[in-house]
Amino acid sequence: ETGVTQTPRHLVMGMTNKKSLKCEQHLGHNAMYWYKQSAKKPLELMFVYNFKEQTENNSVPSRFSPECPNSSHLFLHLHTLQPEDSALYLCASSNRQGSNQPQHFGDGTRLSIL
Amino acid sequence: GESVGLHLPTLSVQEGDNSIINCAYSNSASDYFIWYKQESGKGPQFIIDIRSNMDKRQGQRVTVLLNKTVKHLSLQIAATQPGDSAVYFCAENSGGSNYKLTFGKGTLLTVNP
Repeated sequence: ETGVTQTPRHLVMGMTNKKSLKCEQHLGHNAMYWYKQSAKKPLELMFVYNFKEQTENNSVPSRFSPECPNSSHLFLHLHTLQPEDSALYLCASSNRQGSNQPQHFGDGTRLSIL
Repeated sequence: GESVGLHLPTLSVQEGDNSIINCAYSNSASDYFIWYKQESGKGPQFIIDIRSNMDKRQGQRVTVLLNKTVKHLSLQIAATQPGDSAVYFCAENSGGSNYKLTFGKGTLLTVNP
């Protein structure tokens, strides 16, 4: 899947570090999403952006800060994370126009908090 | 319990056999369902979707069946191949709009040569 690109693929950081995850979609979509995938748990929706506007914050701690400068790019800024934040972070995009459309995912960033 | 769940956490089949992966959902208002495939080290890949006004939809080697009466969704894979080995998720649109998908935990499909 090259339509949604996430960088970096792997990230190891300490609890006091500040880092950012990047997502870029080349599908012409206008909605973008951040999900958290932990072992043995369903995908958890974190944030939704529609036409660059945040439309959903699923009770995510403030140590996660999203940014959507345009419909093609999405960032997740990380600060003072906890060990339980170690997970696979997935970005997705979809077309909000018309009827239901599937979300397309990137390959994720594997985040490890030391 | 969760809105979307899977009857079997693991499924092992022989190459060439047909596979059936099941999913139960609890929200009768859900009107859109998606199946995803996730291989190791990769993100979920869209396989097929179905809207609630349909009972069946076919793709290449895959068929999704929707039974709204019992709130059940299944994915059938014909002539399963080793490359089909992955975790399969179902997802439902339970939020009344396109973007709020609820995912199941997934079923691990293993194809034996």
